[in-house]
Amino acid sequence: GQNIDQPTEMTATEGAIVQINCTYQTSGFNGLFWYQQHAGEAPTFLSYNVLDGLEEKGRFSSFLSRSKGYSYLLLKELQMKDSASYLCAVRASGNTPLVFGKGTRLSVIA
Amino acid sequence: DAMVIQNPRYQVTQFGKPVTLSCSQTLNHNVMYWYQQKSSQAPKLLFHYYDKDFNNEADTPDNFQSRRPNTSFCFLDIRSPGLGDAAMYLCATSPRRRGEETQYFGPGTRLLVL
Repeated sequence: GQNIDQPTEMTATEGAIVQINCTYQTSGFNGLFWYQQHAGEAPTFLSYNVLDGLEEKGRFSSFLSRSKGYSYLLLKELQMKDSASYLCAVRASGNTPLVFGKGTRLSVIA
Repeated sequence: DAMVIQNPRYQVTQFGKPVTLSCSQTLNHNVMYWYQQKSSQAPKLLFHYYDKDFNNEADTPDNFQSRRPNTSFCFLDIRSPGLGDAAMYLCATSPRRRGEETQYFGPGTRLLVL
């Protein structure tokens, strides 16, 4: 089976750094994705990791450890507009559809 | 701009009245997906197409059907909507090329069943 776990909710302060963790158990692995989803809107792609290590893209970074089945999304210099749900998703093999976690609802407060 | 388009953005239907949601894409992607997402839950895959090859998830109810008449368009038909089918329906696409596996989502259609 496929299982993806991430915290349900987090709160952080504007200007701070926050790390959102994701652990997964899947029958195979061919990439981990992070998406941002504002309330009532579609998910938008943030990052993709298929090899171990850190991928940096502006204020957002994503880390992967395949041996531990673990990833995190790091958001720096938080802004109010970063308040959203962050979805972790895994592709088990080839070009099979993504399996999503339930998302972490991040609230950025002043 | 290349994109995934869903119409309508909001759809209200009556209990048991068939409804069709549409999705179109200008990305020329081979793969198209339909997801159902209820409040505070993960998107749940209903089915997907590799080109014309249809793939149904085992737990997708028979009430849900799909059509893909060409590369650009895909439809979701709900034959007899129930109250439990009220949700956001997300269409997504991806190319079938190694190294470009990202899925791109449309804005979604929010379905309300009265």
